[in-house]
Amino acid sequence: NAGVTQTPKFQVLKTGQSMTLQCAQDMNHNSMYWYRQDPGMGLRLIYYSASEGTTDKGEVPNGYNVSRLNKREFSLRLESAAPSQTSVYFCASMPLAGDGEQFFGPGTRLTVL
Amino acid sequence: KQEVTQIPAALSVPEGENLVLNCSFTDSAIYNLQWFRQDPGKGLTSLLLIQSSQREQTSGRLNASLDKSSGRSTLYIAASQPGDSATYLCAPTSGGSQGNLIFGKGTKLSVKP
Repeated sequence: NAGVTQTPKFQVLKTGQSMTLQCAQDMNHNSMYWYRQDPGMGLRLIYYSASEGTTDKGEVPNGYNVSRLNKREFSLRLESAAPSQTSVYFCASMPLAGDGEQFFGPGTRLTVL
Repeated sequence: KQEVTQIPAALSVPEGENLVLNCSFTDSAIYNLQWFRQDPGKGLTSLLLIQSSQREQTSGRLNASLDKSSGRSTLYIAASQPGDSATYLCAPTSGGSQGNLIFGKGTKLSVKP
C-alpha cells in the first residue's frame, strides 16, 4: 500500500495564478483532511471531508476550495494564489471521522511569489 | 476553542537518556490523542494513538499516557538514540464527530551521540 500520496511535491506560483493539489489514499478510509504548516504556527486544518460526498471548512478555509472526487481522492484548489498561501500542505486520511489514527502524506511545498 | 501546548519547545539530550515530552490541552472533551514525529522536510508519522477510554499506550521504547481530566499527555522515550532526533507533535481530537486534530507546535528533540 502506498498510503497517502500527494502531487506535486514542490510548486512555485506567481500571485494570481491557480493550481490544484492532488491527494489520494489507498487505505479505504472514509475521512480526508487538508492542513497547512507554517513556521511558528503549527498545523492548521483548511478543509475536511468526513465521508464521500461531504466537505466542511476547517480553521483557515479562506482562499481555498476542495473537491472530494471519490472515496480515494480529495483535491485542494487555490483559485487566485497569494503570497500568504506560501506554506507546506499536508493531506491526511483516517478510517472514520473521530475514530482511529490519521495518516499523513509527504506534503506539497508551495511558494507564491 | 481547544489549545494545545507542548513543553519544552526544544530539548537536547545525550544518547541513552530516558526523557519525557509534555502536552497539555484546554478542553478535556476529546475522543483520542495522537503523538506524531516529523523529520525535517518530511510528513508526519503516527507514533501512538490513545483512545479516550485508555490511560496509556506503548510501542517499543515509547510510552504515552493520557489524563483527560487534567488535560495532559506525556510521551516517554526510553534509552534515546540519535535516530530519535525529530520534532514530536501532540494532537488531541476535537469534540464532536469530525475527528479533527488540533496540533501543538511540537517539541524539537536532538539526541547527541
